[in-house]
Amino acid sequence: EVQLVETGGGLIQPGGSLRLSCVASGFSVSSNYMNWVRQAPGKGLEWVSVIYTGGNTYYADSVKGRFTVSRDNSKNTLYLQMNSLRAEDTAMYYCAKGYCSGGTCYPPYMDVWGKGTTVTVSS
Amino acid sequence: EIVLTQYPATLSLSPGERATLSCRASQSVSNYLAWYQQKPGQAPRLLIYDASNRATGIPARFSGSGSGTDFTLTIGSLEPEDFAVYYCQQRYNWPPLTFGGGTKVEIK
Repeated sequence: EVQLVETGGGLIQPGGSLRLSCVASGFSVSSNYMNWVRQAPGKGLEWVSVIYTGGNTYYADSVKGRFTVSRDNSKNTLYLQMNSLRAEDTAMYYCAKGYCSGGTCYPPYMDVWGKGTTVTVSS
Repeated sequence: EIVLTQYPATLSLSPGERATLSCRASQSVSNYLAWYQQKPGQAPRLLIYDASNRATGIPARFSGSGSGTDFTLTIGSLEPEDFAVYYCQQRYNWPPLTFGGGTKVEIK
């Protein structure tokens, strides 16, 4: 079964750090574009970061310089290192796989999502 | 950054009715637009990609249309499980990926 499971969320003070993990099963994270998307309580979806199959990474302006996406191919796991956390980073964080169909991939679209992990930044 | 505006914010309909949701882009995104459904407490689900293509396993009652700056998601006949929030997302000019603010389809 194709699945993503996020862990690592929690309550953290402003300025602190957290590392989120996203374990994939049923497919390889290294062979797919992998994204992080977040959703603040009661709000819409906000794209956070992507890591390409080739290893290139990109970030939303709101997290650039503070967050780092990476992967461990041997563990088939995606990570999001979050530093200098702010109250506005409070959200549910989802990892999501880029969509492929019929041998063609459309990486910015996301078809497999985890259930998410909650990050709360508060003193 | 391309801004996506969805309207209406809320759509109140009854099961069996047709739902028409709109998404407008601040500049042309060609046909590079997707639609997602999100139910409370769940992750989003990809419904439509590249404006009019149904994703794997999506029922035929969901259809998408449009190009350039104006797009529509149509749900042909609402089933009880279709009451949810719907988001559009563009891939024309990314990163950053951008989403619309969402349309909630609620039971009338």
